[in-house]
Amino acid sequence: QKEVEQDPGPLSVPEGAIVSLNCTYSNSAFQYFMWYRQYSRKGPELLMYTYSSGNKEDGRFTAQVDKSSKYISLFIRDSQPSDSATYLCASLFNAGNNRKLIWGLGTSLAVNP
Amino acid sequence: KAGVTQTPRYLIKTRGQQVTLSCSPISGHRSVSWYQQTPGQGLQFLFEYFSETQRNKGNFPGRFSGRQFSNSRSEMNVSTLELGDSALYLCASSQQGDTQYFGPGTRLTVL
Repeated sequence: QKEVEQDPGPLSVPEGAIVSLNCTYSNSAFQYFMWYRQYSRKGPELLMYTYSSGNKEDGRFTAQVDKSSKYISLFIRDSQPSDSATYLCASLFNAGNNRKLIWGLGTSLAVNP
Repeated sequence: KAGVTQTPRYLIKTRGQQVTLSCSPISGHRSVSWYQQTPGQGLQFLFEYFSETQRNKGNFPGRFSGRQFSNSRSEMNVSTLELGDSALYLCASSQQGDTQYFGPGTRLTVL
């Protein structure tokens, strides 16, 4: 079992839809959560990060963390064709001297005009 | 601030050759991480350098190595290239190893 699980999709939605992207993680030592967006043949780009449970909003994007169920989500409102990309979740594992970033496999999203 | 830069952007090599990739992190960032990305495999962590010391290492063979210089620039080397080494190699910089900022990647093709 991977430490961070993410459904690879692909996910296809019509323009204007609300998109929900999800990851689960296995270890309570994961403290810090990030979402990245990667366009084809480009490097990943940081979208949002959060330390705590709850919601964090940035424009059309909302990151949600539920530490009790070890579940992280990214919501995209009013999705646009330009949102078509692969979305990667990442969690920072931090236990004593062992500190590393654990990545999900990424979810491929297509927003159709 | 300038972003993370990687050179070269594209590279074609043949089996058995070696290759060196370069990464310049964001100014002030002391941590540089390297990843291999192939379709269906996601981001595979190679290693992380912090202040010229390797701090973390992934599960790659010894053919993959790296180093970091005093100005935080980093290089990774792959010796005795294999067909399976064809991938996008990504470098990411951060201040302490947490929030990472990626470069555009080097696309390596091994023939």
